[in-house]
Amino acid sequence: DAGVIQSPRHEVTEMGQEVTLRCKPISGHNSLFWYRQTMMRGLELLIYFNNNVPIDDSGMPEDRFSAKMPNASFSTLKIQPSEPRDSAVYFCASKGGESEQYFGPGTRLTVT
Amino acid sequence: DAKTTQPTSMDCAEGRAANLPCNHSTISGNEYVYWYRQIHSQGPQYIIHGLKNNETNEMASLIITEDRKSSTLILPHATLRDTAVYYCIVGRFYSGGYQKVTFGTGTKLQVIP
Repeated sequence: DAGVIQSPRHEVTEMGQEVTLRCKPISGHNSLFWYRQTMMRGLELLIYFNNNVPIDDSGMPEDRFSAKMPNASFSTLKIQPSEPRDSAVYFCASKGGESEQYFGPGTRLTVT
Repeated sequence: DAKTTQPTSMDCAEGRAANLPCNHSTISGNEYVYWYRQIHSQGPQYIIHGLKNNETNEMASLIITEDRKSSTLILPHATLRDTAVYYCIVGRFYSGGYQKVTFGTGTKLQVIP
């Protein structure tokens, strides 16, 4: 198995632009998580999907952030408009049943 | 969810056992103890988890005190590749398999040659 796949690995954009991060979970996993990691705040859970349905989005910082999971093999995290304070590494993780979470390699986002 | 307390950093000589402590005094009865690690710039990697009994796998051993208020992760023979930030977290399974966990600041383990 290729593990959790995220794209792009690096993204540099200007303030005000729309940014879309992508995630392909491990095949057969029914839970998907989006995290954000910064030096100041550490690793924060943004949103959790179970069977493609958003269950807990209490960590989504504000309306500029949105996440979708149109099918079991794909999820997106969109920031519109982006701001410099959104600069961080964004991780996607998936989990099957009662197992542990498997994290992807992350997307390093820089907003200038 | 229960909060955890870990030392900020630790050093360990290569080939020796690394013992990483964690306090979770407010853990509730249905919460598990999980350990993950994050090697520089990579995504966190699962190591081990347990509820009340000690656990061992190919990577590490987890010792949980009888009152469950603290635990220790043991890497039996640390190598340079074990240099990483180690996160001790507590979480629980909700219906449907939801595992809400909160990552703290972790312990930065430096393995010294």
